[in-house]
Amino acid sequence: EAGVVQSPRYKIIEKKQPVAFWCNPISGHNTLYWYLQNLGQGPELLIRYENEEAVDDSQLPKDRFSAERLKGVDSTLKIQPAELGDSAVYLCASSLGGGQNTEAFFGQGTRLTVV
Amino acid sequence: AQSVTQLGSHVSVSEGALVLLRCNYSSSVPPYLFWYVQYPNQGLQLLLKYTSAATLVKGINGFEAEFKKSETSFHLTKPSAHMSDAAEYFCAVSELAGSEKLVFGKGTKLTVNP
Repeated sequence: EAGVVQSPRYKIIEKKQPVAFWCNPISGHNTLYWYLQNLGQGPELLIRYENEEAVDDSQLPKDRFSAERLKGVDSTLKIQPAELGDSAVYLCASSLGGGQNTEAFFGQGTRLTVV
Repeated sequence: AQSVTQLGSHVSVSEGALVLLRCNYSSSVPPYLFWYVQYPNQGLQLLLKYTSAATLVKGINGFEAEFKKSETSFHLTKPSAHMSDAAEYFCAVSELAGSEKLVFGKGTKLTVNP
């Protein structure tokens, strides 16, 4: 079974440019997470979806970050415009969710460098 | 609010030696506690989790952790380190048994020397 797939794996952009990350969760997983992992830090939750609904986006900087999960499957995280401080690894994870005691499975992440 | 403190950002052990990675938590409600491992250029993988069933929790790859409420600790141990254990380890706390509200520590990078 394929795991959580993220693309691209690496992205280098100039500041003020837009960037988008894509995530394909494990088939059948209703819950999808986007995490931010800064260098030397643990992951921090940006947004959590239950199907297509964003149920926790309290940590998402909404002035420049946006996310969508159309049809409750794939998800895209966008930054516009990117700032130098956005350089980090963006992790996507998915789980069965639905209030069940379930494990989150993580993708390999997208490493963003803003120059 | 919940938080996790991992003592030691880097731990180095010899192959065959005991591995001890420390984690202390803060929580206003009975916590659920997790340990994740992250190999280079990989996503996080769940090693084990405490959900109040038993204070000593056994996980994958020979790791185990003991929940000590009096010490607010959930240290990760392995009796004998293997070269393949070299990775970064994250402790996390949650108010839920699932993965919905994980709060991660800063991580501890484990190096295993031959």
